[in-house]
Amino acid sequence: QVHLVESGGGLVKPGGSLRLSCEASGFPLSDYYMHWIRQAPGKGLEWISYSGSGVGYTDYADSVKDRFTISRDNAKNSLYLQMNNLRVEDTAVYYCAKGANLDSWGQGTLVTVST
Amino acid sequence: EIVLTQSPGTLSLSPGERATLSCRASQNVGSRYLVWYQQKPGQAPRLLIYGTSNRATGIPDRFSGSGSGTDFTLMISRLEPEDFAVYYCQHYGLSRHTFGQGTKLQIK
Repeated sequence: QVHLVESGGGLVKPGGSLRLSCEASGFPLSDYYMHWIRQAPGKGLEWISYSGSGVGYTDYADSVKDRFTISRDNAKNSLYLQMNNLRVEDTAVYYCAKGANLDSWGQGTLVTVST
Repeated sequence: EIVLTQSPGTLSLSPGERATLSCRASQNVGSRYLVWYQQKPGQAPRLLIYGTSNRATGIPDRFSGSGSGTDFTLMISRLEPEDFAVYYCQHYGLSRHTFGQGTKLQIK
């Protein structure tokens, strides 16, 4: 059974950094595209990053490009999101999701950027 | 950049009624990469429909998707109490994904 568990969220000041993790089970991470999607409080869904199954295939939304870095450790079956230079508008629940169709999602981890 | 516009923003219906949700793309997106999700309060989104009209595993057959080009529809034939939620359409290209702003389906 596919299971995704995000962690690493929390309260951080503007300009700070956080590293989110997504631990996958029930499937080999190495075989799948993986994504990060976020949802600001009371708002809709925003795709922010993609990691292809091949080495080095990544992409980012313009809103996070040059600040966020997606990576994966296939041996640990884990996906990561390094978030630097955080802004108030990055406050959201961050989800990891599997596959081209985003067919499985984690429960999300809340990131709050505030003074 | 493709923009997806969903309508209506809010839809008020009663259990047993039919729901029709619309998703319009700013340019032709074909049909292969159009997806629908359901999200209930406090929960992660759940995949409903992929490739415009294919139900995901475990999705009841009262949910159906159709359309092509720029106009897509999600229909729920007979609403059950658990169907009241927010629905998002989504399109993806090589790597990037674009979501519509969502339609809230609420009990009348």
